[in-house]
Amino acid sequence: EIVLTQSPGTLSLSPGEGATLSCRASQSVSSNYLAWYQQKPGQAPRLLIYGASSRATGIPDKFSGSGSGTDFTLTISRLEPEDFAVFYCHQYDNSPLTFGGGTKVEMK
Amino acid sequence: EVEVLESGGGLVQPGGSLRISCAASDFTFNYYAMNWVRQAPGKGLEWVSSISGSGTDTYYADSVKGRFTISRDNSKTTMFLQMNSLRAEDTAVYYCARSMGIHYNYYSMDVWGTGTTVTVSS
Repeated sequence: EIVLTQSPGTLSLSPGEGATLSCRASQSVSSNYLAWYQQKPGQAPRLLIYGASSRATGIPDKFSGSGSGTDFTLTISRLEPEDFAVFYCHQYDNSPLTFGGGTKVEMK
Repeated sequence: EVEVLESGGGLVQPGGSLRISCAASDFTFNYYAMNWVRQAPGKGLEWVSSISGSGTDTYYADSVKGRFTISRDNSKTTMFLQMNSLRAEDTAVYYCARSMGIHYNYYSMDVWGTGTTVTVSS
């Protein structure tokens, strides 16, 4: 099983600042089968990034993904109030499919 | 509009059974693998089960293997999760999610429902 470890657990930032979220895999994720989701309270997850760096339909370019192998990053530029949420990374390379524990981006 | 909608959640006693459904609309259902992902109260996301577009291949997390059965009716564009021998730790919001391709792996999940709540308690 590929274990995904996200850091930090919580990020306290002000609107207008940028955010850098990390996702580390316990073994290499081949072909970058790594996605990022955003989840707001009481809502379903929303796909932001797939294939480690491809933005999903309708996702603004303020969200960008990078990385390969075991180390992946989600970068959010110029945080707006609606961006504050919990973010999960997800590998869909190996069974069982797994998710990271999440990073909460909260308003300072 | 492309969407999926879950139904059938509720309160069930430990050891009981429940079947939840996911109705899909506005996409060619059999072209896509489908998934169940759950979220226990205050916790993160946990993959539960997946089924290929044709329905011939099914996959389960170890935590539910032997107790849950995933299926789909492509003629009715609906997916199901039959849950037996339910435990308190199965309490969660259950989300239906579409994979971006016909196989459950190698594709992320791009369309999610709003979820249906399953509570296992006496």
